[in-house]
Amino acid sequence: DVKVTQSSRYLVKRTGEKVFLECVQDMDHENMFWYRQDPGLGLRLIYFSYDVKMKEKGDIPEGYSVSREKKERFSLILESASTNQTSMYLCASRVNQETQYFGPGTRLLVL
Amino acid sequence: SQQGEEDPQALSIQEGENATMNCSYKTSINNLQWYRQNSGRGLVHLILIRSNEREKHSGRLRVTLDTSKKSSSLLITASRAADTASYFCATVRRDNFNKFYFGSGTKLNVKP
Repeated sequence: DVKVTQSSRYLVKRTGEKVFLECVQDMDHENMFWYRQDPGLGLRLIYFSYDVKMKEKGDIPEGYSVSREKKERFSLILESASTNQTSMYLCASRVNQETQYFGPGTRLLVL
Repeated sequence: SQQGEEDPQALSIQEGENATMNCSYKTSINNLQWYRQNSGRGLVHLILIRSNEREKHSGRLRVTLDTSKKSSSLLITASRAADTASYFCATVRRDNFNKFYFGSGTKLNVKP
């Protein structure tokens, strides 16, 4: 079975802190994604990567950056956390356009 | 927006009843997928239907797709308390396979 893991289930940070969210998948998938999920807004794509060192902006990239140095690892970086970045962050990977495999999510609270 | 929109937003039924959720979208798709999310967890893929298919079954799940109306429905038959979760549709556009567009979900509550 495909496994996607995220470094933390819950995270509490202060405004202005730099935050790293890590995601690792074990199935050699080329494509990896970061979403945020907020009540009533569904999942919104922040960034995705289709290969090592490649990245593309999603629908809401402002305030975020990403890093993909190895195929299995995709990191989301909040350069200077703000309260409006309090959210559930979901990482996903996939090999084609048919199925996305999601991690368990990281619930981030920015105070 | 290309986002799929689910309807209803919330649904509460008794165990044993059927649950039907609908999804509408705006542009031509390659396929449409349904996902389930248990409270506070990640999404799990349930079923995929391609644009040239009209109906698909998987266990107690039945999905239909009407491309002329740009809509899909997910039917869960003989629901169980364990089916309580949020259900999302995701569309993959013909002209952009990179992005999946998720709706805001239907929250299903199955009462024992």
